[in-house]
Amino acid sequence: EPEVTQTPSHQVTQMGQEVILRCVPISNHLYFYWYRQILGQKVEFLVSFYNNEISEKSEIFDDQFSVERPDGSNFTLKIRSTKLEDSAMYFCATQGGRSSYNEQFFGPGTRLTVL
Amino acid sequence: AQSVTQLGSHVSVSEGALVLLRCNYSSSVPPYLFWYVQYPNQGLQLLLKYTTGATLVKGINGFEAEFKKSETSFHLTKPSAHMSDAAEYFCAVSDRGPVKLIFGTGTRLQVFP
Repeated sequence: EPEVTQTPSHQVTQMGQEVILRCVPISNHLYFYWYRQILGQKVEFLVSFYNNEISEKSEIFDDQFSVERPDGSNFTLKIRSTKLEDSAMYFCATQGGRSSYNEQFFGPGTRLTVL
Repeated sequence: AQSVTQLGSHVSVSEGALVLLRCNYSSSVPPYLFWYVQYPNQGLQLLLKYTTGATLVKGINGFEAEFKKSETSFHLTKPSAHMSDAAEYFCAVSDRGPVKLIFGTGTRLQVFP
């Protein structure tokens, strides 16, 4: 069964460093999302992406964050200068065309630890 | 704005007992409703969803949920709990179409032998 994959599974970084989180969507999916879950808290929406553009972003998604799909396959989330409060689990989710457009498939997540 | 309220951050049941996890939503338009399960150190797996049609929806692992518009609820149930059901359960709502999910705060289900 097709699945969403994410790399790395765990990233440890120093405050102020840039990180790039990678997601490989299910191949025919058209809509892409990033969510995050701070330890012990709920899953929060960050950004949605369609047709090579951001379609919606939350208040959390400030200028330190960016997304792109550089090669038509990977979908990346970049944090330019990490803060302690960016420590969280980051989930990528993808959504397909007509046959399954009402369901988002989640990757296993990347645990980001900012020291 | 849409929101989801999950009553009870922790629910404990005995193996074989009924599981009831509560979810109430707020939405100005007919919503899509979802239940996701998260096992320790894993991602989110879709249990079931309501989009249109029959209000009682059946999902994987014997779970089901009923959409009650009058009560703005989408409670998750399972007649008989199994040890393997122990996990975190998230209710989510979205507008119709491919748009963001709004999650509740989650309910941790513990199952005792």
